[in-house]
Amino acid sequence: AQKVTQAQTEISVVEKEDVTLDCVYETRDTTYYLFWYKQPPSGELVFLIRRNSFDEQNEISGRYSWNFQKSTSSFNFTITASQVVDSAVYFCALSEAGAGKSTFGDGTTLTVKP
Amino acid sequence: DAMVIQNPRYQVTQFGKPVTLSCSQTLNHNVMYWYQQKSSQAPKLLFHYYDKDFNNEADTPDNFQSRRPNTSFCFLDIRSPGLGDAAMYLCATSRARDSYNEQFFGPGTRLTVL
Repeated sequence: AQKVTQAQTEISVVEKEDVTLDCVYETRDTTYYLFWYKQPPSGELVFLIRRNSFDEQNEISGRYSWNFQKSTSSFNFTITASQVVDSAVYFCALSEAGAGKSTFGDGTTLTVKP
Repeated sequence: DAMVIQNPRYQVTQFGKPVTLSCSQTLNHNVMYWYQQKSSQAPKLLFHYYDKDFNNEADTPDNFQSRRPNTSFCFLDIRSPGLGDAAMYLCATSRARDSYNEQFFGPGTRLTVL
């Protein structure tokens, strides 16, 4: 069975600090997909990034970067120079090939203070 | 803009009184999902449709039903709401059933049961 663990329930930082959100997953499949979603206070989850199990390249998009390591079954998300608008709940999710659905972690609530 | 729309945004019902939540999409996606999200928890998948093919999660109570009359619309019926059914209900869509595809979420309907 697949499982996603986000051990950090809440994180609070001051604006401009860097912050890393951890995600650890479990799956028996060799082909799977990992996602990060952002849920701002308005409630609507927004897709941020997808990574497939065969692509361990790290990715950077502006202030966001993602570190995927199969050896440790982790897919961590770093926000550089955090801003107040980054305050949200962030979910990591896992989809096994052919499942057509995702398992979500419990989310990490990030608060960025001015 | 193409989007996922949920109505109403807030719904109040009485214990045991049937309620229907609606979701529509302009993305022309084949897959539609219903999630239940309680405070500070991960979205919990209730069921999903791949086109007209209905897929129920094993632990979804019989009290929850769904209808998808066409590609654009999907409904969640709660036949006899209990206090434990108070939650945010999220509708999402995906282009295809491939696990590669990210999900697009609506803003959610917050259900209160009195």
